[in-house]
Amino acid sequence: DAGVIQSPRHEVTEMGQEVTLRCKPISGHDYLFWYRQTMMRGLELLIYFNNNVPIDDSGMPEDRFSAKMPNASFSTLKIQPSEPRDSAVYFCASQGTNFPGVAFFGQGTRLTVV
Amino acid sequence: GDSVTQMEGPVTLSEEAFLTINCTYTATGYPSLFWYVQYPGEGLQLLLKATKADDKGSNKGFEATYRKETTSFHLEKGSVQVSDSAVYFCAPLPPGAGSYQLTFGKGTKLSVIP
Repeated sequence: DAGVIQSPRHEVTEMGQEVTLRCKPISGHDYLFWYRQTMMRGLELLIYFNNNVPIDDSGMPEDRFSAKMPNASFSTLKIQPSEPRDSAVYFCASQGTNFPGVAFFGQGTRLTVV
Repeated sequence: GDSVTQMEGPVTLSEEAFLTINCTYTATGYPSLFWYVQYPGEGLQLLLKATKADDKGSNKGFEATYRKETTSFHLEKGSVQVSDSAVYFCAPLPPGAGSYQLTFGKGTKLSVIP
């Protein structure tokens, strides 16, 4: 398996534009997590899914953020409209049911909103 | 809810020095404990784990022992290398079935100089 795959690796966009981040988890993993990492706030959990169903979205900062998981091999995190304070590295991670806590992270998407 | 406190960085050491990064946690019951490492420009990856009191996790020369009495899981390495330069995250996982949500510490940046 190629691991967790995120795209794009880098995204630069103008304030007000829509941004979509993509994630392909490891095949067979039932849990998918979206995190945001900044210098100021560290690593924050935004939302996580189990079997494609959102379980906890309490970390989503506001309504401008939305996440979907239409099938077991694909998830998106959308920001609309984007703001400069959304600039961060966004990580996707997946876990298998039989190994709780053993998370595999993607390489992240570095988002810059100007 | 669960929380974790890591020693503040950055930590700068010379090659072959001894490393300790402190981690203490608060949790209901007995969580599983994890250390993750993030190399520059990459996502986090699991370094080691321990699932019950007095367990010692080890990997790549790093060790950490689950100390129930002091609620600690300090990371140690006897002789660091330049390649160990990274950010280290301590993370407890609450006990119980259906528990997959890690709580990450703020991270401790380690720089090893030749």
